[in-house]
Amino acid sequence: DQQVKQNSPSLSVQEGRISILNCDYTNSMFDYFLWYKKYPAEGPTFLISISSIKDKNEDGRFTVFLNKSAKHLSLHIVPSQPGDSAVYFCAASAQTGANNLFFGTGTRLTVIP
Amino acid sequence: EPEVTQTPSHQVTQMGQEVILRCVPISNHLYFYWYRQILGQKVEFLVSFYNNEISEKSEIFDDQFSVERPDGSNFTLKIRSTKLEDSAMYFCASIRGQRETQYFGPGTRLLVL
Repeated sequence: DQQVKQNSPSLSVQEGRISILNCDYTNSMFDYFLWYKKYPAEGPTFLISISSIKDKNEDGRFTVFLNKSAKHLSLHIVPSQPGDSAVYFCAASAQTGANNLFFGTGTRLTVIP
Repeated sequence: EPEVTQTPSHQVTQMGQEVILRCVPISNHLYFYWYRQILGQKVEFLVSFYNNEISEKSEIFDDQFSVERPDGSNFTLKIRSTKLEDSAMYFCASIRGQRETQYFGPGTRLLVL
């Protein structure tokens, strides 16, 4: 079951630069997308979400872009900070059903001071 | 800020034993979920619960698993006869209403020997 994919297992970025994390999905029924940040031995922490009626959502340093035709979304973090170093998971849910989330495999972001 | 809590944080058990993982969702939330993450893999949906019944479950959630909301605050996941492959982090999540953000607990690390 690979309905949500994050093809980059890791990413390293210099402090102050932009981090771009990518996510692809295959299920056209997905209409709500979220990004979570996760530290080892902790639960996922919600970062930002986007509904399929929008193509961009911004919250402070975090912006999520959605390209429905390409079934692709990305998370931009700018400027990146060392405290952003964590594993980032993309997740998606469909309007039908119980809103359970389908997660990608995660991208480990390392921000180098 | 309200948060989802889980107990215990760690549990070690022998294969074949029963375990009960406990969660206290955010108090005004109505939809409850269990997910698991096997080491090195993605977070996977197990089951969703609403109005005192299961609303959706994945293929992982077989007859060995059950969920219960025994009172107004706790939400439990029971594994009747644990297997080695049940070793994972188990996360509880809750939402207030449909199409809202799921908030996750810190997880229970289950190790089956």
